[in-house]
Amino acid sequence: DAKTTQPTSMDCAEGRAANLPCNHSTISGNEYVYWYRQIHSQGPQYIIHGLKNNETNEMASLIITEDRKSSTLILPHATLRDTAVYYCIVRVAQVNNDMRFGAGTRLTVKP
Amino acid sequence: DARVTQTPRHKVTEMGQEVTMRCQPILGHNTVFWYRQTMMQGLELLAYFRNRAPLDDSGMPKDRFSAEMPDATLATLKIQPSEPRDSAVYFCARGTGWHFGNGTRLTVT
Repeated sequence: DAKTTQPTSMDCAEGRAANLPCNHSTISGNEYVYWYRQIHSQGPQYIIHGLKNNETNEMASLIITEDRKSSTLILPHATLRDTAVYYCIVRVAQVNNDMRFGAGTRLTVKP
Repeated sequence: DARVTQTPRHKVTEMGQEVTMRCQPILGHNTVFWYRQTMMQGLELLAYFRNRAPLDDSGMPKDRFSAEMPDATLATLKIQPSEPRDSAVYFCARGTGWHFGNGTRLTVT
């Protein structure tokens, strides 16, 4: 059973913020939200993860709703190189359990 | 952190041949994940290991696939005999999943 649902595809104008939503209504209390992306012909790349507080790093920001049933990945100033498939995953962090990918969202950044 | 290197990057082989894919370095007591990606199925988890012991290999066809760690720094995925339906890109990941290799693109004719 899929633990997350994401839109199949999204477009974003270069230089604008890209907001990628993810629903995870069955998330458990000890599960984190992870985001990865996969640029064509490369392996998945870790972006960010969080439990319940909003998180920010040099790549992106992660906004998690108070009930933790959904989250949004924000790329503040999208560039053409951000065109990729973005995956939202829920899993227990710091435990070497499985990490399963869904279909993700294909983000296309347009000039 | 050292990047994960997968070799070979591309492999074309005939049906029935043995294929070995490599992933390194595996550092310390890290967990190793193996994935297969096709257009139809997306990224599928085949198996994951810790300290050379399988934690879950239920996604791997065990009659022809085997995953091993010949030493502490190297993980391998073998297919014997290979079949055309094994054609895919195979990825490994190290640790808590934060470091992926760039994959081995396998074509079985």
